[in-house]
Amino acid sequence: QVQLVQSGAEVKKPGSSVKVSCKVSGGTFSSYAISWVRQAPGQGLEWMGRIIPIFNTTNYAVRFQDRVMITADESTSTASIELTSLRFEDTAVYYCARDGLYYGSGSTYWGQGSLVTVSS
Amino acid sequence: DIQMTQSPPSLSASVGDRVTITCRANQGINYYLAWFQQKPGKAPKSLIYAASSLQSGVPSRFSGNKSGTNFTLTISSLQPEDFATYYCQQYNSYPCTFGQGTKLEIK
Repeated sequence: QVQLVQSGAEVKKPGSSVKVSCKVSGGTFSSYAISWVRQAPGQGLEWMGRIIPIFNTTNYAVRFQDRVMITADESTSTASIELTSLRFEDTAVYYCARDGLYYGSGSTYWGQGSLVTVSS
Repeated sequence: DIQMTQSPPSLSASVGDRVTITCRANQGINYYLAWFQQKPGKAPKSLIYAASSLQSGVPSRFSGNKSGTNFTLTISSLQPEDFATYYCQQYNSYPCTFGQGTKLEIK
């Protein structure tokens, strides 16, 4: 059974950085892409980027490209997203999601979400 | 970026109704389209991938279809637990864009 467990809620000041982690259990960590998606209060889902750990390749949405980094640590089966230069509008729930077992199955397994609040 | 236009934004229906939600891509995305269900305060749940393949454990009343760049999610007979917000997502090319969502409410 694949499970993704994310780190806890964070409160950050504008201009600072935040790092959210996502520990994956069950299955092979390295072989499957992990995506990060965020959801601002009362809004829809927004894709931020993804990593394929076995290749250590990343893709980012252009609007975050200058201030986001997604990493994966195979030794701990943990993926992380770091967002810098935080703004009030970065307040959101951040989700990690892992691809399913079959090719083309998309983001099948999801973490519980991590609330990041940007407040002065 | 590929734009996903989802409709309707909201929908009122009754238990037992058949409902259909539509997502249109502004360019070809092959069959790389997923549907998610989200309930308040919860993470999205994957229902369908590759346009029409049901995720394991998802009831058979959910189905997906593709016609060109138009995709539909159909719930054949609404159950009380189906009232939620639904999103489509294309994952043919980066960024993997979502539709705006459809909130399905009880009539």
